[in-house]
Amino acid sequence: QLVLTQSPSASASLGASVKLTCTLSSGHSSYAIAWHQQQPEKGPRYLMKLNSDGSHSKGDGIPDRFSGSSSGAERYLTISSLQSEDEADYYCQTWGTGIHAVFGGGTQLTVL
Amino acid sequence: EVQLVESGGGLVQPGGSLRLSCAASGFTFSSYEMNWVRQAPGKGLEWVSYISSSGSTIYYADSVKGRFTISRDNAKNSLYLQMNSLRAEDTAVYYCARVLRYCTNGVCYPEQLFDYWGQGTLVTVSS
Repeated sequence: QLVLTQSPSASASLGASVKLTCTLSSGHSSYAIAWHQQQPEKGPRYLMKLNSDGSHSKGDGIPDRFSGSSSGAERYLTISSLQSEDEADYYCQTWGTGIHAVFGGGTQLTVL
Repeated sequence: EVQLVESGGGLVQPGGSLRLSCAASGFTFSSYEMNWVRQAPGKGLEWVSYISSSGSTIYYADSVKGRFTISRDNAKNSLYLQMNSLRAEDTAVYYCARVLRYCTNGVCYPEQLFDYWGQGTLVTVSS
């Protein structure tokens, strides 16, 4: 069964960097994922598509501070030079059989 | 600029019906697959339904199968979700989302990753 696992919360200081992790379930380590950001009281925003080889393509207007990388079944989102507006929930997403989209549980990022 | 604007949410009693709409602009709507995704209060994102660009292929999450119907009108650049037999657990913000298209060598393929989202419309099922 295809499952995406994310830590419920993360925190980092203003101006610092943070690396969020999304882990694909066993047997699905080749899957590409998308990262989405959801600021409080807003709809999600697509950040990037991240492939298993670490290559990624970002959405329109996404700053260079956001980057992605991969290692095995792990997919990472790194945010550098953290700003207050980066405080948000971050979701990873992929799809399985029958086009069924799958989301991770989300990571709530706090900028200290 | 790509825009997706949902409407049609509101308060409905258990067992009732509601029809959501999503107005699309800024892109060739008829060329893109679309989805509905929902988010219960304080919870994460849950995929609801998918429709192909022509409307000929449709999928539903098990939680809504047999009760919800997705459709689209490409002439009106609009996506719809007809929700029947609503339950308290259907209470959520409903988002429409566009499917990413990956292009290589002049050919484009849909990938069930969502590259644009609407702002959402709230559906509350309560007596």
